[in-house]
Amino acid sequence: KQEVTQIPAALSVPEGENLVLNCSFTDSAIYNLQWFRQDPGKGLTSLLLIQSSQREQTSGRLNASLDKSSGRSTLYIAASQPGDSATYLCAVKTGANSKLTFGKGITLSVRP
Amino acid sequence: EAQVTQNPRYLITVTGKKLTVTCSQNMNHEYMSWYRQDPGLGLRQIYYSMNVEVTDKGDVPEGYKVSRKEKRNFPLILESPSPNQTSLYFCASSSLGGAYEQYFGPGTRLTVT
Repeated sequence: KQEVTQIPAALSVPEGENLVLNCSFTDSAIYNLQWFRQDPGKGLTSLLLIQSSQREQTSGRLNASLDKSSGRSTLYIAASQPGDSATYLCAVKTGANSKLTFGKGITLSVRP
Repeated sequence: EAQVTQNPRYLITVTGKKLTVTCSQNMNHEYMSWYRQDPGLGLRQIYYSMNVEVTDKGDVPEGYKVSRKEKRNFPLILESPSPNQTSLYFCASSSLGGAYEQYFGPGTRLTVT
């Protein structure tokens, strides 16, 4: 059974820092991995999707990497801003037609 | 605009009173799914559908029903809601080809008293 872990549960950093959010998963036979952002009381916004054959994806200040063999993904946020404050969720799809298995998220606070 | 919509966004009801949460997507996606999100438990899948008239249970299906009569709609039905179904519910959809990226609705916050 796939399990996804995100540690720590919460993180507070000063504005301008470059930071890395970690995600680990137990079954390396994944189809893809998605990073989402969730603002308080709101829905999930897809940030980046990495296919199993890819090593990384980039969108603006965000870069996500995938190392299937070690069961890890990282989300790199460059030059963090207060507007980046949110919960970041990692989710893994183990097959083309399978569900997403979510981590519990990392709540990020960027201090002005 | 490509989107997944849910209604209502907020609902307070009493134990045993049947309710339906609607979900609709305009992306012609085959796959649709319902999740619930609870503090400390994260997001868990309730039911999913691979296409019209094809539905299957997720991890936590007890107390819920779904139907998929049209491709764009996937309502979630609580026949007899109980307080342990108080939660934040999300509908999601994706294509069954390409990247399989899932798109989520804005969520429905349900309180059962």
